[in-house]
Amino acid sequence: GAVVSQHPSRVICKSGTSVKIECRSLDFQATTMFWYRQFPKKSLMLMATSNEGSKATYEQGVEKDKFLINHASLTLSTLTVTSAHPEDSSFYICSARVGLAGVPDYEQYFGPGTRLTVT
Amino acid sequence: GESVGLHLPTLSVQEGDNSIINCAYSNSASDYFIWYKQESGKGPQFIIDIRSNMDKRQGQRVTVLLNKTVKHLSLQIAATQPGDSAVYFCAERLSYGQNFVFGPGTRLSVLP
Repeated sequence: GAVVSQHPSRVICKSGTSVKIECRSLDFQATTMFWYRQFPKKSLMLMATSNEGSKATYEQGVEKDKFLINHASLTLSTLTVTSAHPEDSSFYICSARVGLAGVPDYEQYFGPGTRLTVT
Repeated sequence: GESVGLHLPTLSVQEGDNSIINCAYSNSASDYFIWYKQESGKGPQFIIDIRSNMDKRQGQRVTVLLNKTVKHLSLQIAATQPGDSAVYFCAERLSYGQNFVFGPGTRLSVLP
């Protein structure tokens, strides 16, 4: 099946620094990637949608200057949390979707998640 | 039993019994639904899906039922096993090509 990886799986950073999270589709090309945020014991909240080669579309309330998303290739999207603060600590999950030519577009394949802790 | 409150709703079942996890979705126009399983510290895993033109779909040990009249989705797990312990999310797609919206999740605990 389609595999999505994330790196790192866990990261601890100091307040004020920036951290980059990578999301890769390992065995398929992802025309669209999604970034979600999940607080403890809560559901997944969509942060943004990124299409390869174009600017990401952010959900309402998500600061685009704080959460920088780059989708430079069909297999890699990155999320950079800039000037991180303790309230940014969360579980960040990416998912990838293939276009109609491959796996049915309605399936999303999720990465294992990255736990960010800002101290 | 099932409880709802400040904590994630939890369903506790005996090993070997059948589990039924319920989900109320929000949009009557949603055309596609997926159930995901999330184990602690991991990303969601696809379990089963159903389109809005169906009312039932069966997989291996799992069945999804869709009642569009009351906007209700359920996941039935037969002969629940300890490995089924996880948080289960339903997700609805508002329309073709759109994103999925996730439900609040239900924690399934399998008792020995």
